[in-house]
Amino acid sequence: DIQMTQSPSSLSASVGDRVTITCRASQGINNYLAWYQQKPGKVPKLLIYAASTLQSGVPSRFSGSGSGTDFTFTISSLQPEDVATYFCQKYNSAPATFGQGTKVEIK
Amino acid sequence: QVQLVQSGAEVKKPGASVKVSCKASGYTLRTYAMDWVRQAPGQGLEWVGWLNTGNGNTEYSQKFQGRVNITRDTSANTAYMELSSLRSEDTAVYYCARVRAYSFGYFDSWGQGTLVTVSS
Repeated sequence: DIQMTQSPSSLSASVGDRVTITCRASQGINNYLAWYQQKPGKVPKLLIYAASTLQSGVPSRFSGSGSGTDFTFTISSLQPEDVATYFCQKYNSAPATFGQGTKVEIK
Repeated sequence: QVQLVQSGAEVKKPGASVKVSCKASGYTLRTYAMDWVRQAPGQGLEWVGWLNTGNGNTEYSQKFQGRVNITRDTSANTAYMELSSLRSEDTAVYYCARVRAYSFGYFDSWGQGTLVTVSS
């Protein structure tokens, strides 16, 4: 099975900072990668699919890039409401493996 | 609008089985595949399995093979996940998630989650 390695596991940044999370697949997955946001006590929410396509209604400060095995998720200007855990997920085939998650906090 | 409504919280004893339902509204269930994901307390997201809602085909995580069964009732627009031989490590919130495709794909809508607690 393809493994998804996400880093860092947590980060603390100031409001307005640029935040970057990486996700690496153990084998190539083309661009079959999604990013989800999960706020404390809430249901996960789709932010990005096909590695870089923003889901409808998601603020443009969120973006994604990459293809093959290496992917990046960026918040261009961190806002207080972005405090959450972010997960990457590969979905080209079963199993639809998630990364371990990155907890984002405000410094 | 699309909504996935799951059944309520369950408390089960070790060795028992649990069946969680996920009723879809706002669309026809068999149009899109459905996955199940779980999250143990304080942990990340773990994929459980996938259902082709059209023909009933399934794929399961190796971890749950032989213990999980995902089915659907198209007349009720509802999917189900049954997990047997429960152990304490199965205590988690279980989510259904709609796949934005007929086969494999990303999850664009999630149920509210069902807490399953396994305790003697």
